[in-house]
Amino acid sequence: DTAVSQTPKYLVTQMGNDKSIKCEQNLGHDTMYWYKQDSKKFLKIMFSYNNKELIINETVPNRFSPKSPDKAHLNLHINSLELGDSAVYFCASSLGTVSGNTIYFGEGSWLTVV
Amino acid sequence: DAKTTQPTSMDCAEGRAANLPCNHSTISGNEYVYWYRQIHSQGPQYIIHGLKNNETNEMASLIITEDRKSSTLILPHATLRDTAVYYCIVHGSSNTGKLIFGQGTTLQVKP
Repeated sequence: DTAVSQTPKYLVTQMGNDKSIKCEQNLGHDTMYWYKQDSKKFLKIMFSYNNKELIINETVPNRFSPKSPDKAHLNLHINSLELGDSAVYFCASSLGTVSGNTIYFGEGSWLTVV
Repeated sequence: DAKTTQPTSMDCAEGRAANLPCNHSTISGNEYVYWYRQIHSQGPQYIIHGLKNNETNEMASLIITEDRKSSTLILPHATLRDTAVYYCIVHGSSNTGKLIFGQGTTLQVKP
């Protein structure tokens, strides 16, 4: 069973559209994250939720809105998609936020905006 | 979280040990050293982590110097499937849980 799973794996959409990426973890973790990897391959944190509460928002545009319906899910909704949003988005989870808690990543969602 | 410095790229012959160095001279006492790797088109994969002592698991060994200012990840018998970008990350002081990724080391295992 996949520990951190994301859907869809590939998404091609037009500028201006609204889209969502879903993430689920079956590890019983309290903390979930969204990371973005752009064309230059740098991985950067976007959001983090701990027990459904937002704890990190790394100056991400308001068009990006995470939603955590429960501890096992953290979905990413993107409004008014722009060309620059094209990237790979990784969901991740960890037991908690204290040091020493290992973060586990999903396989990524490839978003292409045309 | 402390910053890390890694070589941009390294080569290793298949079957030989791959030794990947990492400098983290500003690491603080409660920060862990984590290693992840990212194989092309996949998500980052956790390899190993340590605080002070050397660690070993089924994937690799982690050697941390006594002053904790540097570490080495050792893949004992590299295979072609170990070709990936390896990230050394110092983690923990902020307690927000996030990992800060640098550019990593691109390891090319050659036949």
